[in-house]
Amino acid sequence: GAVVSQHPSRVICKSGTSVKIECRSLDFQATTMFWYRQFPKKSLMLMATSNEGSKATYEQGVEKDKFLINHASLTLSTLTVTSAHPEDSSFYICSAKYRDWGYTFGSGTRLTVV
Amino acid sequence: GQNIDQPTEMTATEGAIVQINCTYQTSGFNGLFWYQQHAGEAPTFLSYNVLDGLEEKGRFSSFLSRSKGYSYLLLKELQMKDSASYLCAASDSNYQLIWGAGTKLIIKP
Repeated sequence: GAVVSQHPSRVICKSGTSVKIECRSLDFQATTMFWYRQFPKKSLMLMATSNEGSKATYEQGVEKDKFLINHASLTLSTLTVTSAHPEDSSFYICSAKYRDWGYTFGSGTRLTVV
Repeated sequence: GQNIDQPTEMTATEGAIVQINCTYQTSGFNGLFWYQQHAGEAPTFLSYNVLDGLEEKGRFSSFLSRSKGYSYLLLKELQMKDSASYLCAASDSNYQLIWGAGTKLIIKP
């Protein structure tokens, strides 16, 4: 149980375009989801925390207008990278909290902006 | 401030035992996690400790000392597939995970 499905797994887009990444909790209701970014050989960097039905809480230094997060239902959260630039190329991972101490991860999305 | 420290890289031999240490400082504490991450993949859950002591799960064991702010992950009978990064993460008073930078474990035949 507690599976999070993340799509797409890989995406290549042109500079200036927008990319949407989806995370779905398949067998539980995810009231809280987390979005991470990971640079090569680096640990996970928390970008934002989203709670169903409310605005996401962004970490310091993360542009909320560039990284749009929507958590409209208990099973779906989306991250949209707007007006993507090559420096946005990274590995993006979502995580859902399914009990007080339980966290499960999506499989990650490798974004390459050319 | 909140901080997690773990070694950057370790090397061990196939069939041997390796211990990866982690020290943490957090605002409040709601448990310590260990995750395994292979290159290009998302982390996978290995263990969770919230009480002092050793938790054993097959070839992997995890230990926690809350008074010392210390944990370790013990891997026995190492296999080549255990080559990966091992991430230590502490849950703070808000149940937010504070991540270490990860320990890259290299297994040699």
